[in-house]
Amino acid sequence: SQTIHQWPATLVQPVGSPLSLECTVEGTSNPNLYWYRQAAGRGLQLLFYSVGIGQISSEVPQNLSASRPQDRQFILSSKKLLLSDSGFYLCAWSPGRNLFFGPGTRLTVL
Amino acid sequence: GIQVEQSPPDLILQEGANSTLRCNFSDSVNNLQWFHQNPWGQLINLFYIPSGTKQNGRLSATTVATERYSLLYISSSQTTDSGVYFCAVEEGYNFNKFYFGSGTKLNVKP
Repeated sequence: SQTIHQWPATLVQPVGSPLSLECTVEGTSNPNLYWYRQAAGRGLQLLFYSVGIGQISSEVPQNLSASRPQDRQFILSSKKLLLSDSGFYLCAWSPGRNLFFGPGTRLTVL
Repeated sequence: GIQVEQSPPDLILQEGANSTLRCNFSDSVNNLQWFHQNPWGQLINLFYIPSGTKQNGRLSATTVATERYSLLYISSSQTTDSGVYFCAVEEGYNFNKFYFGSGTKLNVKP
């Protein structure tokens, strides 16, 4: 069966610090991968999606970036965090129909 | 991108009551899914339902694609049904991109 991992589970970072969130999927190959952000009490905003290694599509302009160095690894990064980057970051994968989510990372930028 | 609207935004029920949640979308879709987000943030797939009707225990869903809406029915609600319910759609001409509504927050009281 397929499993999706995210780490860390929670993170507190100062403004201006870098960020690296990692997501890995087990038990499948060539999945579509996604990064979503959920602000407190709100819906999910699509940030990035990837249909293959090195193929990244960005949905909204921001100071975040994503990379897919391996087939089942998706990384979300920032060089300098802003207060507005706080939120719940969710990685998801899709075999082409259903969407499956990881446990998420709660990021607080102070 | 496609617009997804959910109603009502908040719903309070007494245990045992029935409810209907609605999802409207602004354009044709390839894919529509309903999710439940539990109080710990985990998103669980409930239904993949681009059209037609499906049932799973006390939950059922109906999508009328030609009229651009979907309904989620919860019967005999239980306290464990509490959380936020999201619908997500994949645009008809833009594969791989899933857009979420703002959710319905359900509180089932004992």
